[in-house]
Amino acid sequence: AQSVAQPEDQVNVAEGNPLTVKCTYSVSGNPYLFWYVQYPNRGLQFLLKYITGDNLVKGSYGFEAEFNKSQTSFHLKKPSALVSDSALYFCAVRDGGTYKYIFGTGTRLKVLA
Amino acid sequence: DADVTQTPRNRITKTGKRIMLECSQTKGHDRMYWYRQDPGLGLRLIYYSFDVKDINKGEISDGYSVSRQAQAKFSLSLESAIPNQTALYFCATSPWGTGTDEQFFGPGTRLTVL
Repeated sequence: AQSVAQPEDQVNVAEGNPLTVKCTYSVSGNPYLFWYVQYPNRGLQFLLKYITGDNLVKGSYGFEAEFNKSQTSFHLKKPSALVSDSALYFCAVRDGGTYKYIFGTGTRLKVLA
Repeated sequence: DADVTQTPRNRITKTGKRIMLECSQTKGHDRMYWYRQDPGLGLRLIYYSFDVKDINKGEISDGYSVSRQAQAKFSLSLESAIPNQTALYFCATSPWGTGTDEQFFGPGTRLTVL
């Protein structure tokens, strides 16, 4: 069965510092991986995805993610955090056969001024 | 940008009541999904539909039913609401066959069952 793990409930980082939000996955077959962000009282918004190709994927708002097949990881990164990046981040994997999406439990990112 | 809308945005109801949550989209997407979000549990899939005649159960479909009235409309019903169905509910859509795999989410419905 497909699964996604986000091992950190919360990540705190100082403004201007690099940030990493971790995600590991378990899939059969090729992984289709996604990151979404949720701001308070809003629905989820798509940030970026990995389907195939380069292991470093660039997305919205300066975020990027590194796909590592050997470590089955897809960590979200940003070189310089902003206070406005504070939000809830979800990693997700799509089942290639059924087109169901499995979400992680979410990581709350807090960027401190 | 075209929207995914959900009604109502907030609802408080009592145990045993029948509740319907509605989702409409103007994106022209074939695939529609219903999720619930609970703290610490992330999003869990309730039902999903790939077209009007194709409806599938997700991982937590017990106690819920859905109706796909048209390509643009996908409703979620709680036949007899219970307190542990208190949650934030999201509708999402995604296109088919374009190579674009991401989902587009509505703003959510906060449901409280007393």
